[in-house]
Amino acid sequence: EAQVTQNPRYLITVTGKKLTVTCSQNMNHEYMSWYRQDPGLGLRQIYYSMNVEVTDKGDVPEGYKVSRKEKRNFPLILESPSPNQTSLYFCASSFRQGAGEQYFGPGTRLTVT
Amino acid sequence: SQQGEEDPQALSIQEGENATMNCSYKTSINNLQWYRQNSGRGLVHLILIRSNEREKHSGRLRVTLDTSKKSSSLLITASRAADTASYFCATDTAGGFKTIFGAGTRLFVKA
Repeated sequence: EAQVTQNPRYLITVTGKKLTVTCSQNMNHEYMSWYRQDPGLGLRQIYYSMNVEVTDKGDVPEGYKVSRKEKRNFPLILESPSPNQTSLYFCASSFRQGAGEQYFGPGTRLTVT
Repeated sequence: SQQGEEDPQALSIQEGENATMNCSYKTSINNLQWYRQNSGRGLVHLILIRSNEREKHSGRLRVTLDTSKKSSSLLITASRAADTASYFCATDTAGGFKTIFGAGTRLFVKA
């Protein structure tokens, strides 16, 4: 089944404790992206990747890191999480070279206390 | 920065009625898309319209795009209770790699 998977789905952590949210797609898509969703703000793009080893900042990259060493995986790293990073995170991928029609993962709900 | 702004923020209609949602954006775009989200779950792509297209249909969905006004509308005809969800417009900019979402319209269809 073609899909985007994210792990973990739910995470509660404490300020400053490094964490990684994994994202994997099995559709051989070149484009992948991370978003955060906060009430009343819609989705805001954190980082995106046009292909392996090629990444760029979205609108809200501060406090996040990404890497794209393989085509299928695009992990999101929070080196020192803070409470303002409490949010619902989505990974997405697209078969287009650019963004276009994106397939979304189920989301990761992160709480930082 | 939020490029897409949608209105209304919320819409409540009866089953069988049509629902219209509007989206405005600020900068030039490659394409515009509409997505649907059920209650905190992942978004589902509905339709994509390119900047050189004016109207597109998919089943009960009709999307229009007016690049001179930097606006788009999504019409859902003959709505069903199962259409209850949040709907978001999204625009691709920066050579097509960057995506900006609107804040969304919450649609509630009463059976």
